[in-house]
Amino acid sequence: RKEVEQDPGPFNVPEGATVAFNCTYSNSASQSFFWYRQDCRKEPKLLMSVYSSGNEDGRFTAQLNRASQYISLLIRDSKLSDSATYLCVVNRGGGYQKVTFGTGTKLQVIP
Amino acid sequence: DTEVTQTPKHLVMGMTNKKSLKCEQHMGHRAMYWYKQKAKKPPELMFVYSYEKLSINESVPSRFSPECPNSSLLNLHLHALQPEDSALYLCASSQGDQDYGYTFGSGTRLTVV
Repeated sequence: RKEVEQDPGPFNVPEGATVAFNCTYSNSASQSFFWYRQDCRKEPKLLMSVYSSGNEDGRFTAQLNRASQYISLLIRDSKLSDSATYLCVVNRGGGYQKVTFGTGTKLQVIP
Repeated sequence: DTEVTQTPKHLVMGMTNKKSLKCEQHMGHRAMYWYKQKAKKPPELMFVYSYEKLSINESVPSRFSPECPNSSLLNLHLHALQPEDSALYLCASSQGDQDYGYTFGSGTRLTVV
């Protein structure tokens, strides 16, 4: 089993739709979690950290489920500009090399 | 200033050339990183500098040589690269505590011919 797994997609959704991505992680001792977005041929940009209590930033909501070892990202009212690859990042704690990137989920928002 | 600046943005080099990639941040971050990213793959960690000292080398071939002249600068010296080393090279920084995530530079797209 991979340390961090994501559905590669692509997810093709119409503008205005709600879309959700999940990311599973294998190490139950993982300590911190992030979502990044990466546009084609650009660098990853931190979208949001994921806390046990969940967090929301405008149209984006991130949740952590430690019991089932997954994190989720919900995007409401999708915009064309949301089209990107969304990378899940998990930090197992205990050192810098313990950060693992998922392979990313591609989202295409269609007019 | 919340940016990580990388130069050059694009680089084409021959297999016998020596070149350097540069990275600069002025956010006071104490950890800096080099990542390599191939198309449709996630970034792969190469090196970590913490408080200007090399703390991690992920078994990177010696043709890649990192250098951290001070807390704001990070270089990657390249020599005798192979075509398979062609990739996007990303510099990142963090406060030194992984709980805050990384800030990435825009990367150097390297082509080895």
